Amino acid sequence: GESVGLHLPTLSVQEGDNSIINCAYSNSASDYFIWYKQESGKGPQFIIDIRSNMDKRQGQRVTVLLNKTVKHLSLQIAATQPGDSAVYFCAERNYGGATNKLIFGTGTLLAVQP
Amino acid sequence: DGGITQSPKYLFRKEGQNVTLSCEQNLNHDAMYWYRQDPGQGLRLIYYSQIVNDFQKGDIAEGYSVSREKKESFPLTVTSAQKNPTAFYLCASSIGHQSSYEQYFGPGTRLTVT
Repeated sequence: GESVGLHLPTLSVQEGDNSIINCAYSNSASDYFIWYKQESGKGPQFIIDIRSNMDKRQGQRVTVLLNKTVKHLSLQIAATQPGDSAVYFCAERNYGGATNKLIFGTGTLLAVQP
Repeated sequence: DGGITQSPKYLFRKEGQNVTLSCEQNLNHDAMYWYRQDPGQGLRLIYYSQIVNDFQKGDIAEGYSVSREKKESFPLTVTSAQKNPTAFYLCASSIGHQSSYEQYFGPGTRLTVT
């Protein structure tokens, strides 16, 4: 399939290293954040989410950190594997909205070198 | 299996023709969404529907139309008025209330118009 990451910021890591993908969000009123992984030619897959009343949440090999002071979100992947190679998107939901719309960032391409 | 299906995976049309992309979900979700994705960019919202027989324009609705006659189905028509229709189209659904804002994505349809 065609790549969707031709002009995206790229993070290149060695297999086994830890990866940190960063995301700046726009609205201080956002109350929910989510990370998705998208492999080439496929739909995005849920990785982990976090609500604004938390600053850290852990999953299997992944951790999301939320810094509301500077409106910054990060995704940490431990012991990165070749299968982690993909584009990673963060998204936010604006509090007070009557909908469940998410606003997506432009994405970061993670390239894992064997 | 529960999920979202989009068909076809690849679609080719001549300029000036309308084309309808299919999206079906069996997750019993109230809300459904259509996004457009271009190379090197994030997801841009075309239309969304929070409930049957209701839908709203997203950020880039011009040249597109939708219907939501059934809970399970949210077809998107790309009309001849859409100036740059070639793109990867993603459909998503969500529960539709504050218990969860996660959106579940289909596999996408790649539309090429020549």
